[in-house]
Amino acid sequence: QKEVEQDPGPLSVPEGAIVSLNCTYSNSAFQYFMWYRQYSRKGPELLMYTYSSGNKEDGRFTAQVDKSSKYISLFIRDSQPSDSATYLCAMSVVTGGTSYGKLTFGQGTILTVHP
Amino acid sequence: GAVVSQHPSRVICKSGTSVKIECRSLDFQATTMFWYRQFPKQSLMLMATSNEGSKATYEQGVEKDKFLINHASLTLSTLTVTSAHPEDSSFYICSARAPGWGSYEQYFGPGTRLTVT
Repeated sequence: QKEVEQDPGPLSVPEGAIVSLNCTYSNSAFQYFMWYRQYSRKGPELLMYTYSSGNKEDGRFTAQVDKSSKYISLFIRDSQPSDSATYLCAMSVVTGGTSYGKLTFGQGTILTVHP
Repeated sequence: GAVVSQHPSRVICKSGTSVKIECRSLDFQATTMFWYRQFPKQSLMLMATSNEGSKATYEQGVEKDKFLINHASLTLSTLTVTSAHPEDSSFYICSARAPGWGSYEQYFGPGTRLTVT
């Protein structure tokens, strides 16, 4: 079993739809959670990061973390064709030493928003 | 926001030659940088963690002598692929951990596409 599971999709939605992207994880030590967006042939771009459980909102994006269920979500409201990309969840344990800052990624979900 | 650059963006080399890829943090000092490899339609695979002024920590299965990493300053890390072979062809991406204790988010470079012929 992978430490982080993410449905690879592909996910296709019409413009204006609400998109829900999800990841589950098995390591209860994960405390720092991130969402990245990656366009084809580009490096990932940090969208949101949260620490521990709760919600965080930034414009059209909302990140949710439910540590009791080991489940994180990213919601995109009023989705646009420019949101078409691969979305990667990532998480980290809080620690020092050589593992400090090391991220564990999900497989990525391919999202297409069609006009 | 934090900006990370990579150079070159694309490189083609002949089998047996070496290639150096540079990763720079442009507007912040990065004590820790990471090197990833990504195959088409797959997620990122961490190759090594690079800490300024010390030896890199390589992930299991990554050949240290083939993928040389140098983090000589707080804004520059380099990855040298030595004696490249066609199977080394891939998309290589670096990232830098955000500055400050307690920061875990990473900022990624645009990637380097390596093709070995």
